[in-house]
Amino acid sequence: GESVGLHLPTLSVQEGDNSIINCAYSNSASDYFIWYKQESGKGPQFIIDIRSNMDKRQGQRVTVLLNKTVKHLSLQIAATQPGDSAVYFCAENRGSNYKLTFGKGTLLTVNP
Amino acid sequence: DGGITQSPKYLFRKEGQNVTLSCEQNLNHDAMYWYRQDPGQGLRLIYYSQIVNDFQKGDIAEGYSVSREKKESFPLTVTSAQKNPTAFYLCASTVAPGPNTEAFFGQGTRLTVV
Repeated sequence: GESVGLHLPTLSVQEGDNSIINCAYSNSASDYFIWYKQESGKGPQFIIDIRSNMDKRQGQRVTVLLNKTVKHLSLQIAATQPGDSAVYFCAENRGSNYKLTFGKGTLLTVNP
Repeated sequence: DGGITQSPKYLFRKEGQNVTLSCEQNLNHDAMYWYRQDPGQGLRLIYYSQIVNDFQKGDIAEGYSVSREKKESFPLTVTSAQKNPTAFYLCASTVAPGPNTEAFFGQGTRLTVV
């Protein structure tokens, strides 16, 4: 079965609010994680990544938090905008060969 | 601009026919990948290639074939053996095989069996 999954399949927020998208993983050997954004009918776009030797990484309006103790990953989006509406996937890297395993995704809807 | 180009964007196939999806990249990336995405699902790995003239099966390779004759190109053939080929297909590349490396994706090909 899936080793990377999401707690919430859908998330609806008001414009300007902060959004938090969660992801659980089961493989403790995973050492690299990526968040992707996918708009309807398009390919995924890289948002931010984090290695297992870190617990937090910040980008522009986004922060990724990694809790290895409970194998949990989250993506925080500050001041969410309508253009942030999309499906967000977390992905983990396993093993020495590059293979990303994706979760099912969370649909984020931003209401004006 | 560098990137990954998938073509066509939409493709229709009759049952029993093979069809080939194109993926070209000008990023000078060594590794390329094909994923399948079904509605409401995550991406599943079909095949990947770490270097020219070499490729490996992913998690759902049955009914698919690939070739990697050139660094820039990684075409995917959906054969008649693939029983449920209707899906959104995504090609990706990474600068090198191995962990800790970001994948760049194309815009996808939506394949429909008619």
